[in-house]
Amino acid sequence: KQEVTQIPAALSVPEGENLVLNCSFTDSAIYNLQWFRQDPGKGLTSLLLIQSSQREQTSGRLNASLDKSSGRSTLYIAASQPGDSATYLCAVASYGGATNKLIFGTGTLLAVQP
Amino acid sequence: GAGVSQSPSNKVTEKGKDVELRCDPISGHTALYWYRQSLGQGLEFLIYFQGNSAPDKSGLPSDRFSAERTGGSVSTLTIQRTQQEDSAVYLCASGDRDFGGELFFGEGSRLTVL
Repeated sequence: KQEVTQIPAALSVPEGENLVLNCSFTDSAIYNLQWFRQDPGKGLTSLLLIQSSQREQTSGRLNASLDKSSGRSTLYIAASQPGDSATYLCAVASYGGATNKLIFGTGTLLAVQP
Repeated sequence: GAGVSQSPSNKVTEKGKDVELRCDPISGHTALYWYRQSLGQGLEFLIYFQGNSAPDKSGLPSDRFSAERTGGSVSTLTIQRTQQEDSAVYLCASGDRDFGGELFFGEGSRLTVL
């Protein structure tokens, strides 16, 4: 059974700092991994999608990496801004079983202090 | 509209009543998911529709929960005889591939059972 863990659960940094959010998963037979952000009281916004054959994806100040063999992904945020404050979730699409559902981590709550 | 639309955005009901939550996916998207997010918890998979195949209902927590998708588009999640533990945000997502594509989420329906 696939399990997804995110560390840390919460993070507070000063504006301008570079930071890394971590996501680990127990079953390396994944199809892809997706990073989302969720603002309070809102739905999820897709940030980056990494296919299992890819090592990383970049969008603006965001860079996500994937190491399937070790069951890890990181989301790197450069030059953080107060507007980056949100909960960041990773989700894994796994092969196997009878389901095609995404398995979500519990998220990292990020606060960027001005 | 361009995104996933959910209604109602907020629903307050009394214990024992039935509720219906609606999801309008992005036009042309074949995959549709329902997730539940309880306060302080991660996203819990409920049900997955893919094209014309039978839905994956493995995440529905009890037989009080049911969902349908008419004409491969709009989906309705029905909760019968609501209980206080059903209080949560119910999120719908759609994707342009039956499996493994990028998912786009709606803003969610916040259900409060008194």
